[in-house]
Order: sequence, then structure tokens, then C-alpha cells
Amino acid sequence: DIQMTQSPSSVSASVGDRVTITCRASQNINTWLAWYQQKPGQAPKLLIYAASTLQSGVPSRFSGSGSGTDFTLTITSLQPEDFATYSCQQANTFPPTFGGGTKVEIK
Amino acid sequence: EVQLVESGGGFVQPGGSLKLSCAASGFTFSRHWMHWVRQVPGKGLVWVSRIPNDGSSASYADSVRGRITISRDDAKNTVYLEMSSLRAEDTAVYYCAREVETGMAIFDSWGQGTLVTVSS
Repeated sequence: DIQMTQSPSSVSASVGDRVTITCRASQNINTWLAWYQQKPGQAPKLLIYAASTLQSGVPSRFSGSGSGTDFTLTITSLQPEDFATYSCQQANTFPPTFGGGTKVEIK
Repeated sequence: EVQLVESGGGFVQPGGSLKLSCAASGFTFSRHWMHWVRQVPGKGLVWVSRIPNDGSSASYADSVRGRITISRDDAKNTVYLEMSSLRAEDTAVYYCAREVETGMAIFDSWGQGTLVTVSS
């Protein structure tokens, strides 16, 4: 199975900050990467797919980039509702696998 | 509005069985592959199983193969996960998820999850 490694595992930030989360795949996954946001007690929510395509309804302050093995999720101007855990997931090779998550906490 | 509502979770002893259900609404259920993903509280998401839109060729994670069966009833817009020979390590929140129509395992809708606790 393809291993997905996220860093950092947690980050403390303030409202208005720019936050960048990285995700590394153990082998080439082209651009078949998705990012999900999950708040405590809630289901994951798809934010970005195909590495950089914003899901409908997701604010434009979220963006994704990368290809191959290295990917990033960037949140520009962090909002109060963005404090959550973010997970990456590869869809290039079966079975789909997820990163361990990055918790964005309030500084 | 797309909705996925899981049910059937609960407390079960090791070796026991449980059947989870996921009722779908707000979309054409028969057009989508459906998946189950689980999450130990405080840990990452782990894919469990998938079933194609035609109900054929179900797939399973190695950790559950032989102990779990996924099925679907398009007349009831429901996907099921039958679990047997349950182990403590199966304890998790189980989510059903809808795969996007592009044929890649990207999940654009999720249920709220149902907690399965396996303990003596």
C-alpha cells in the first residue's frame, strides 16, 4: 500500500495567518490526491481533489498544489471556522490510503 | 441535499457480529460506488471496503478480508457492512462515503459515522 505522510502533525496559528501543510506519498501518485477537513465529532469534508481542484462551495482561501510524491495544502488568511484536522488521501493506486492528519489549533 | 445516515453500531464482545447500514438520499444512489472508511478516535482514516455501483467485485482491506462483507440494496438506497469475528482492533467510528462519479476513489460525501466498540 502507498504510505501517506503528513507534516506537521499539528500547527498552532492565529486568525489571519497563512498555514501550509505538506503530504508526501511513498511512491508516485501523479495528481490523484485529495484533501479533507474534519472537525471534532463530524465527518470529513472534501476540500480539494486532483491535487489542486477546489470542491464546489469551498472557500478560495484553500488551495492545493503538487504532483508525483509531494503535495501541499495552503490556507491563506486562516478563519475561525478553519480550526480543524486536515487529512490527505491518495486515489492513484488501490487501496486508497490517508495521511495521519494535521491538526490546526488556535495559537 | 445529499445525505448518508449510518446506523447499527454498538457494543459487541470479541468474536461477535454486527451489521451496519448506511441510508442514502438526495442523489441517484445506483450511479455511485460506495465505500466504508473507519477511524479510531483520535487517529487517522482507514479505508475498509468498497462496492461498485452494479454490486459486483467488492473489495476489502487486508485487515478485514474474510470477516467483513459489503453489500447494497439499490431499491432501498442502502449500503451495508456485515462484520463478524470482531476483534478489539476493529473498534472505530465507521463512515460510509460516496465516491465521485469520475471513477477515482475520491469521497465527496460522508455520513456522520457510527461507533463500533469491541470489548469484553
